[in-house]
Amino acid sequence: GQNIDQPTEMTATEGAIVQINCTYQTSGFNGLFWYQQHAGEAPTFLSYNVLDGLEEKGRFSSFLSRSKGYSYLLLKELQMKDSASYLCAVKDSNYQLIWGAGTKLIIKP
Amino acid sequence: DAMVIQNPRYQVTQFGKPVTLSCSQTLNHNVMYWYQQKSSQAPKLLFHYYDKDFNNEADTPDNFQSRRPNTSFCFLDIRSPGLGDAAMYLCATSREAGATDTQYFGPGTRLTVL
Repeated sequence: GQNIDQPTEMTATEGAIVQINCTYQTSGFNGLFWYQQHAGEAPTFLSYNVLDGLEEKGRFSSFLSRSKGYSYLLLKELQMKDSASYLCAVKDSNYQLIWGAGTKLIIKP
Repeated sequence: DAMVIQNPRYQVTQFGKPVTLSCSQTLNHNVMYWYQQKSSQAPKLLFHYYDKDFNNEADTPDNFQSRRPNTSFCFLDIRSPGLGDAAMYLCATSREAGATDTQYFGPGTRLTVL
């Protein structure tokens, strides 16, 4: 079967750095997406990785290792508004998005 | 601004009473998706349209139907809602269905079944 694993919940402090991990086992790989979802709202696109390495976009960076089936989302200079769920999703060989259940990130002052 | 719009944002229906949720997009994307998402769970794909071609997920109950009368609009019909159908329903679009095509989501409709 296809599987995406993320921690259920993480807590971090305002101004700090947090890394949210995602491991995957899918039928084929056509890229990995990270989305942010605030409570009661729709997911919004953060990043896309298809090649190994780090993609940096402002305070957010995303890393991919295809050989390890592993990605992480790195959030720097955390702000209270970063409190949200972060969903990892992989496009499989049929270009279907396989979703993780999301990591709920709680930011404390 | 180009966007994905869902109406209504909140819908309350009674057990067994048919309900229709709507989605429209101004992005002129070819692909439209309907997802069901329950609290703290991953979004679950119900079906998607590539242009007029309808693709149903194997485990989507027959109770759920969809229509896409034109490029801009897509509807989700729940014929006989049960208590287990209470969820957030998310509409998404993508330009194409390829590897790099990102899905963009509407704000969602939260369905309550009494």
